[in-house]
Amino acid sequence: NAGVTQTPKFRVLKTGQSMTLLCAQDMNHEYMYWYRQDPGMGLRLIHYSVGEGTTAKGEVPDGYNVSRLKKQNFLLGLESAAPSQTSVYFCASSNKGQGEIGELFFGEGSRLTVL
Amino acid sequence: GQNIDQPTEMTATEGAIVQINCTYQTSGFNGLFWYQQHAGEAPTFLSYNVLDGLEEKGRFSSFLSRSKGYSYLLLKELQMKDSASYLCAALDSNYQLIWGAGTKLIIKP
Repeated sequence: NAGVTQTPKFRVLKTGQSMTLLCAQDMNHEYMYWYRQDPGMGLRLIHYSVGEGTTAKGEVPDGYNVSRLKKQNFLLGLESAAPSQTSVYFCASSNKGQGEIGELFFGEGSRLTVL
Repeated sequence: GQNIDQPTEMTATEGAIVQINCTYQTSGFNGLFWYQQHAGEAPTFLSYNVLDGLEEKGRFSSFLSRSKGYSYLLLKELQMKDSASYLCAALDSNYQLIWGAGTKLIIKP
């Protein structure tokens, strides 16, 4: 039982380059989230999805795009990376969502450095 | 604005008890979560409180006072493996999680 898997684990980009982070979950969860974690700050929600084919903006969506073409996958894209996007990115899933309570299951994180 | 406050770092001794406090200010409130995060790893769920009072789960307990906007996580019989960051997160009226910056707990032998 893999849970939530993120790839890649580490990546170094140059300013202006693009990349995609992949999140896959095998728990049949409807809800998926992308967070970033920066030193001295709480987790900040970038985008989320309440089901296959749907996405919504979170607290800090600028500079990122997402897609949820399949229920088990949630992709986070950076079209033109900036040094401010240097961070650790966490994907999470839940079988609960808006109006309900549920714990989040996190992936192990993707450490991105933008030079 | 919405805000979660928790201490940045705490130090405790193996075998002892430690209490990690969290105060919150949110637009509405639908409960409070505690997560544990070991260095370089994913956060993992510890507890959820929505009613006032203490919830005990083995060596870990979590307390909530809604009137005071206050919660704490109590860790008993500390073990070296409890060295981690502890994240407090409040669920606001829109069921969005507001996260604290985390408390790094250092356990000394």
